[in-house]
Amino acid sequence: DQQVKQNSPSLSVQEGRISILNCDYTNSMFDYFLWYKKYPAEGPTFLISISSIKDKNEDGRFTVFLNKSAKHLSLHIVPSQPGDSAVYFCAFSSGTYKYIFGTGTRLKVLA
Amino acid sequence: NAGVTQTPKFRVLKTGQSMTLLCAQDMNHEYMYWYRQDPGMGLRLIHYSVGEGTTAKGEVPDGYNVSRLKKQNFLLGLESAAPSQTSVYFCACGDGGRVEQYFGPGTRLTVT
Repeated sequence: DQQVKQNSPSLSVQEGRISILNCDYTNSMFDYFLWYKKYPAEGPTFLISISSIKDKNEDGRFTVFLNKSAKHLSLHIVPSQPGDSAVYFCAFSSGTYKYIFGTGTRLKVLA
Repeated sequence: NAGVTQTPKFRVLKTGQSMTLLCAQDMNHEYMYWYRQDPGMGLRLIHYSVGEGTTAKGEVPDGYNVSRLKKQNFLLGLESAAPSQTSVYFCACGDGGRVEQYFGPGTRLTVT
């Protein structure tokens, strides 16, 4: 029973363009949604989050969008930079301080 | 301020051997977690703790045990390692008042 899906295992984007990463979920009880970034040989680091009462949250170049009716979460990175090349995980919480993680999308930003 | 540290960074075990992974945090967070990451599977929760002296099972607890004797430490034990436990293990901690978790650098374990 996969509650969270990141359907794109990889994505390549030209430097300066927009990167869009997506997650779909099935559990309507999720109330907090997060994105983590992971570089090789390091642990994931928190990037940005959004609660279920909002549909958008921005932090600099990063914007997270939540479409509750479609059960869809996305992360926009504008403009993309080579240093953004990493694996991005979405994570979902239902208020119990436990996450369910997506399988990750490997983003490559081409210089 | 080291954040979250994990010991060891790498380990190779033979089937049937035992070992303990140590996680230490200096962030004074109540919640601590152990995850494993396998290719194409994302991160899966093994066990977690909501405070000193407490532990609870996560999504994939079989074959593992944990202890949280001190607030700052969370130990993950493998009593009899199996090749299926070959993975990268991440420890994390979190403040009950916030939802973000903070991760250690990981331990790469190979069981032959």
